[in-house]
Amino acid sequence: DAKTTQPNSMESNEEEPVHLPCNHSTISGTDYIHWYRQLPSQGPEYVIHGLTSNVNNRMASLAIAEDRKSSTLILHRATLRDAAVYYCILRDVLTGGGADGLTFGKGTHLIIQP
Amino acid sequence: DVKVTQSSRYLVKRTGEKVFLECVQDMDHENMFWYRQDPGLGLRLIYFSYDVKMKEKGDIPEGYSVSREKKERFSLILESASTNQTSMYLCASSPVWDGSLDTQYFGPGTRLTVL
Repeated sequence: DAKTTQPNSMESNEEEPVHLPCNHSTISGTDYIHWYRQLPSQGPEYVIHGLTSNVNNRMASLAIAEDRKSSTLILHRATLRDAAVYYCILRDVLTGGGADGLTFGKGTHLIIQP
Repeated sequence: DVKVTQSSRYLVKRTGEKVFLECVQDMDHENMFWYRQDPGLGLRLIYFSYDVKMKEKGDIPEGYSVSREKKERFSLILESASTNQTSMYLCASSPVWDGSLDTQYFGPGTRLTVL
């Protein structure tokens, strides 16, 4: 899987939007962009994924740059419960096929101030 | 709601003991995974299974074995626990690949300490 780069940490205030960036300049045409997060003392959980178009779900939005070399996870109104480590990963569906492990980098530690 | 459960949240064992970590998923998923997570090293794949009785080695299988006798259950076995196996162990499952989405669903983790 291609490499991603994320800031080590970010801080935001409660009830404000949060934009978490991810750079993936070597992304291939068959790489999907996935985001997971890991709350303290819990296992990772899936947040959202996309290929080319922006995506929305009940947890977040994913904005993908036109050249696909970067993406941004958007939490529209952060709460204290959103404090977690957020991981951006690429999954090449041609080589991955689902039955292989996820490779998490260090992710972004999101701190939410009340 | 999808659910992956692990038998223990915290476990303390002694060096040389045989340790069993159990994982159960209720989503009828074909694929199941065992990872360990250590500070600064991220998530590392130990073993995975894509069907009952099938298993494949991941990146760090040494010192571990697995068992999958039923579709919903995937066990990780430490044959003779050592202190360097102190870690957070995470189980995950995913459905058969449909060509796009291969989301993995994780359990809460087992923090194992080997003394």
